[in-house]
Amino acid sequence: GNSVTQMEGPVTLSEEAFLTINCTYTATGYPSLFWYVQYPGEGLQLLLKATKADDKGSNKGFEATYRKETTSFHLEKGSVQVSDSAVYFCALRTDTGGFKTIFGAGTRLFVKA
Amino acid sequence: EAGVAQSPRYKIIEKRQSVAFWCNPISGHATLYWYQQILGQGPKLLIQFQNNGVVDDSQLPKDRFSAERLKGVDSTLKIQPAKLEDSAVYLCASMRVQGNYNSPLHFGNGTRLTVT
Repeated sequence: GNSVTQMEGPVTLSEEAFLTINCTYTATGYPSLFWYVQYPGEGLQLLLKATKADDKGSNKGFEATYRKETTSFHLEKGSVQVSDSAVYFCALRTDTGGFKTIFGAGTRLFVKA
Repeated sequence: EAGVAQSPRYKIIEKRQSVAFWCNPISGHATLYWYQQILGQGPKLLIQFQNNGVVDDSQLPKDRFSAERLKGVDSTLKIQPAKLEDSAVYLCASMRVQGNYNSPLHFGNGTRLTVT
């Protein structure tokens, strides 16, 4: 079946450090891939997306590239800020089973000043 | 545009009691979802509506959970009777177009349910 696996957290970084959060997926068909972010006390919101192989999604300094050969969609940011502290969810959507969006378990990021 | 509205924000009940959650999606969004998010886990889909019809409720524990979306706008999720393992955040999300790979989900802030 379809599934998403993320690296376990929490991830703790100092401000201006480089961030990588790993995400791999298993899917039938050709999924679209998403990263959502959940700030404390708020709902999930879309961070970026990619809809086909080799697409790069980007937003707010974050990037992720859709790698079909490795079934991965790792999230990266060159220099994190305290305000990036949140929980990050990798997700996929396929055309099977009614276009459901399936989420990973989430990775909590703490950024220290 | 106004976001997805959910209420209440928090709810504490005893096991075997009933509870209901309400969601008002973004205006014009035909597709509405209810997700359950247990602490430390990602959101798990409970039910998906397209207008006022159910598209997928395969993960909904139908012996205790029910949901409706009358008139294709607001939705209510009910649990009766509640169990301890139902303690979670219940998220409502809406999407503009069904069957579109690219459309993002828009989430409300959720209702945190504690069952004691």
